[in-house]
Amino acid sequence: GAGVSQSPRYKVTKRGQDVTLRCDPISSHATLYWYQQALGQGPEFLTYFNYEAQPDKSGLPSDRFSAERPEGSISTLTIQRTEQRDSAMYRCASSFGRNNEQFFGPGTRLTVL
Amino acid sequence: GIQVEQSPPDLILQEGANSTLRCNFSDSVNNLQWFHQNPWGQLINLFYIPSGTKQNGRLSATTVATERYSLLYISSSQTTDSGVYFCAVFTGGGNKLTFGTGTQLKVEL
Repeated sequence: GAGVSQSPRYKVTKRGQDVTLRCDPISSHATLYWYQQALGQGPEFLTYFNYEAQPDKSGLPSDRFSAERPEGSISTLTIQRTEQRDSAMYRCASSFGRNNEQFFGPGTRLTVL
Repeated sequence: GIQVEQSPPDLILQEGANSTLRCNFSDSVNNLQWFHQNPWGQLINLFYIPSGTKQNGRLSATTVATERYSLLYISSSQTTDSGVYFCAVFTGGGNKLTFGTGTQLKVEL
């Protein structure tokens, strides 16, 4: 596609529910990234994919967070048993690869009540 | 891990004024990006600049990697320039961005 797209744009859920966020990267990009941005702060790295492979998930805050990219294109980020501290903007980015310019999607604003 | 500090943290300008935003990083990096987060939350790419100087309209950026800093110049500021400006450096072997603390800019009429 022309740019990175994410859905939903806004998600409100109750504590304890599972949520799944979706990212559709720029079609020619091999590498896809997930970031979490708390209010008033810059985005923080969660994980990245190179095609289907997930070489680094060091930024995932707990084992309740998982991500996949089974066919090397669209990716999902799933948060199980959501907690209020999970409330944040979740941003996806894509690039041609290591050290290449990253382009960000509009983000999903998650609110956990 | 690497520390990325931006200054000033907040800035208020009159429309038409010029400004310089600074980004200091604590370790050597291969590459750096500047972003503008507009009031609607979109993160817009401004510059991808490992070293040297680039210009795009009223904006320009300079990175001096050997001295571990980058500068973003905004000339003839407009109200649409308002928002948060982030620099981000490539870390983790070039596979992740570490963002700075941000500069919140407000341009007034």
